[in-house]
Amino acid sequence: QSVLTQPSSASGTPGQRVTISCSGSRSNVGSNSVNWYRQVPGTAPKLLIYLNGQRPSGVPDRFSGSKSDSSASLAISGLQSEDEADYYCAAWDDSLNAYVFGTGTTVTV
Amino acid sequence: EVLLVETGGGLKQPRGSLRLSCSASGFSVSINYMAWVRQAPGKGLEWVSSKRADGTTFYSDAVRGRFTIARDNSRNTLSLQMNSLRAEDSAVYYCARGTSVDERAFDFWGQGTTVTVSS
Repeated sequence: QSVLTQPSSASGTPGQRVTISCSGSRSNVGSNSVNWYRQVPGTAPKLLIYLNGQRPSGVPDRFSGSKSDSSASLAISGLQSEDEADYYCAAWDDSLNAYVFGTGTTVTV
Repeated sequence: EVLLVETGGGLKQPRGSLRLSCSASGFSVSINYMAWVRQAPGKGLEWVSSKRADGTTFYSDAVRGRFTIARDNSRNTLSLQMNSLRAEDSAVYYCARGTSVDERAFDFWGQGTTVTVSS
């Protein structure tokens, strides 16, 4: 059972903005940076956001991340059909001494 | 070009053992934070184990005492020795590399290798 809670699904029409929340606690999101991954079913995950809001090279600026207290969020603006995938937040948990992933959110366009 | 290739997956009976390997190219596993992440069929991502450049190792509660992460610097490979396998260990296992600015942000992943534990 994951300690980071995400909505199971999110959807939008092309061009819209979608936001995915990631709710944690003081020992994980509240104390450490949050990363976001995108995964198309059947393929390996891909790093989307690191250090709460930084984008790796090649990730479009349509993707943005933020964090406040023990919650984080991923926003996808200008939604495109190719954004359909599963999205996971993740952070180190100081109490568990473990890297924890969120429950995952399936985005439908 | 950075590349990670996992091998070693297969079908094993409960209580059996299996060793996964992750061959790296384009960088050195000895100076990077490396990790194993798994995904059971139809389920989300689950972190399994990590190894820091300084050799420090970390394990999830689910595998501690049964799995061992190691690296072979001469072969530039990461491995995961899996003992006392259980049905719940069945998953696709990915190896991943941590970034240089945030070691626990995994920027490169292998294609995964499938482990099935069943009698």
